[in-house]
Amino acid sequence: DTEVTQTPKHLVMGMTNKKSLKCEQHMGHRAMYWYKQKAKKPPELMFVYSYEKLSINESVPSRFSPECPNSSLLNLHLHALQPEDSALYLCASSRRQGEADTQYFGPGTRLTVL
Amino acid sequence: GQQLNQSPQSMFIQEGEDVSMNCTSSSIFNTWLWYKQDPGEGPVLLIALYKAGELTSNGRLTAQFGITRKDSFLNISASIPSDVGIYFCAGPYLNAGGTSYGKLTFGQGTILTVHP
Repeated sequence: DTEVTQTPKHLVMGMTNKKSLKCEQHMGHRAMYWYKQKAKKPPELMFVYSYEKLSINESVPSRFSPECPNSSLLNLHLHALQPEDSALYLCASSRRQGEADTQYFGPGTRLTVL
Repeated sequence: GQQLNQSPQSMFIQEGEDVSMNCTSSSIFNTWLWYKQDPGEGPVLLIALYKAGELTSNGRLTAQFGITRKDSFLNISASIPSDVGIYFCAGPYLNAGGTSYGKLTFGQGTILTVHP
């Protein structure tokens, strides 16, 4: 099973809303990632978790708050977003942090901020 | 910097034609990855390359790791309509100490359109 699942598939929210994106993997991977992708552009790394601890924050604004409740789950809490935050948010996981060749992506959540 | 220059940006081809795309960098990479992304989906890993000169196939796809470790190409033979999508090359971003911390450097992508 090489599947990373993400919910919801689509999300529309206002700038004053609070919402969360969820990601799950059951491959026993100990590194999990959040990426942001604009249309027809490559994914951009946001956060890296290793063994459930935040390892890397790529200078992401505080209105994005990641959380890793356990080794299989990764959440991204959203609050007071801006319209320019509309994008495809991708979750990925790998066996260990740094093992790029085992990095599997989920299908993404298409976020629209009104 | 560790940027990847991917070309061409887009390709419009007829079904049955062969396709070639490539990535170059001014920096050395020790791993090259090729992903395909369908509309509304996440990138799917097609081929991973680990050694300079390595040539690897996955069905109709063939990719090579350049001898200089600064380039890679991906070929698709006998294209079919389901090959449509965006193809990205990628490699592990290395920090100042030469260690990968999981971040991938991506090329800008090649948008492939296949006409039946």
